Amino acid sequence: QVQLQESGPGLVKPSQTLSLTCTVSGGSISSGGYYWSWIRQHPGKGLEWIGYIYYSGSTYYNPSLKSRVTISVDTSKNQFSLKLSSVTAADTAVYYCARGASSSGRFDYWGQGTLVTVSS
Amino acid sequence: DIQLTQSPSFLSASVGDRVTITCRASQGISSYLAWYQQKPGKAPKLLIYAASTLQSGVPSRFSGSGSGTEFTLTISSLQPEDFATYYCQQLNSYPFFGPGTKVDIK
Repeated sequence: QVQLQESGPGLVKPSQTLSLTCTVSGGSISSGGYYWSWIRQHPGKGLEWIGYIYYSGSTYYNPSLKSRVTISVDTSKNQFSLKLSSVTAADTAVYYCARGASSSGRFDYWGQGTLVTVSS
Repeated sequence: DIQLTQSPSFLSASVGDRVTITCRASQGISSYLAWYQQKPGKAPKLLIYAASTLQSGVPSRFSGSGSGTEFTLTISSLQPEDFATYYCQQLNSYPFFGPGTKVDIK
């Protein structure tokens, strides 16, 4: 059973960089056939796809966030990470990591989510 | 970019009701659509992908249909555990989500 777990600071100051890591267990990021995603949800709002990465390192980002987002992968640790720069209060959200199947695009496994608040 | 709309945005229903939620895409996406259920404080759960394929372990009262620009999620007999928010997601290009439909108790 694949499991994903987000980790990182719950509080980030405005203008700083938000950094989160997703640790994958029960399966290998390097196995192929999947892409590893970050998705966020503003309080009381809908789901916003941030971007994803293949184990090879290829990345795809939401055009609306592309200038501030970097997603990377560490196959040796079976982890992938999110960096979001120049954050503002509008980046306060629950951040989820998820596994997407490249054959169909569906997100079949999700982390529990972590709330990141941007505040001074 | 392909935009998704959902209707209704809010739905009040009773246990045992048949419920239908519609998702429309701004351009054709073949059958590249998934449906998720989200309960408060929880991560979304995949229900259906490829428009009509039931994810393993999901009850058969959930079904999906459609192709091109119009899709539906149907719950044949609403159960207490089905009160939640439902999102569609297109898989044709960027994996954007619809705005959601909240199903509440009547």
